[in-house]
Amino acid sequence: QEQLVQSGAEVKKPGASVRVSCRASGYMFTNNEINWVRQAPGQGLEWMGWMNPASGTTGHPQRFQGRLTLTGDPSIDTAYLELSSLLSEDTAVYYCARRAHHDFFDLWGHGTLVAVSS
Amino acid sequence: SSELTQPPSVSVSPGQTVSITCSGDKLGDKFASWYQQKPGQSPLLIIFQDYKRPSGIPVRFSGSNSGNTATLTISGTQAVDEADYYCQAWDSNTPVFGGGTKLTVV
Repeated sequence: QEQLVQSGAEVKKPGASVRVSCRASGYMFTNNEINWVRQAPGQGLEWMGWMNPASGTTGHPQRFQGRLTLTGDPSIDTAYLELSSLLSEDTAVYYCARRAHHDFFDLWGHGTLVAVSS
Repeated sequence: SSELTQPPSVSVSPGQTVSITCSGDKLGDKFASWYQQKPGQSPLLIIFQDYKRPSGIPVRFSGSNSGNTATLTISGTQAVDEADYYCQAWDSNTPVFGGGTKLTVV
């Protein structure tokens, strides 16, 4: 069965970095983009960026420039999100999601809570 | 980038029909998707390409998209449909989500 399995919850101090993993199973990892979406407590969904597992190319909004790194390791069917210089406002549940070929997200990970607190 | 506007909350009685709107500039020229999110769960795709349902999504969920508004309609709403609903479309190769609508079944 197709699924995206994410790493466990993290607690970080302001200024630290965090890496979240997303392992795909049940389908060909390199066939679809992996996107990352986060959700702050009680808030809506915020798109963070994408990673093409076949080519390694990535993209993300300007507001994350310099802080966000998206990578993938096709040998273990895993995508990674790394966010640096964490702020309290980065406290959120981070989701990875598979982009279907027709522009929607058809498979989501279970989410990883990242809490930033001093 | 464009914005998608949804009503923050909508309520419906069990068995009734409810519509949730999503407004954006020329949204009808793009494909709209809808996601359902229940507390503590990840979003679930329920409508894609304006009106198509993924396998396993009940037929009571339907969608439409025209002009500046996409609409999610739930017919014969059940208590299990109580959740947050998000619309999503693409703008300049960037996915945009609506702010979400909390559906209460009372």
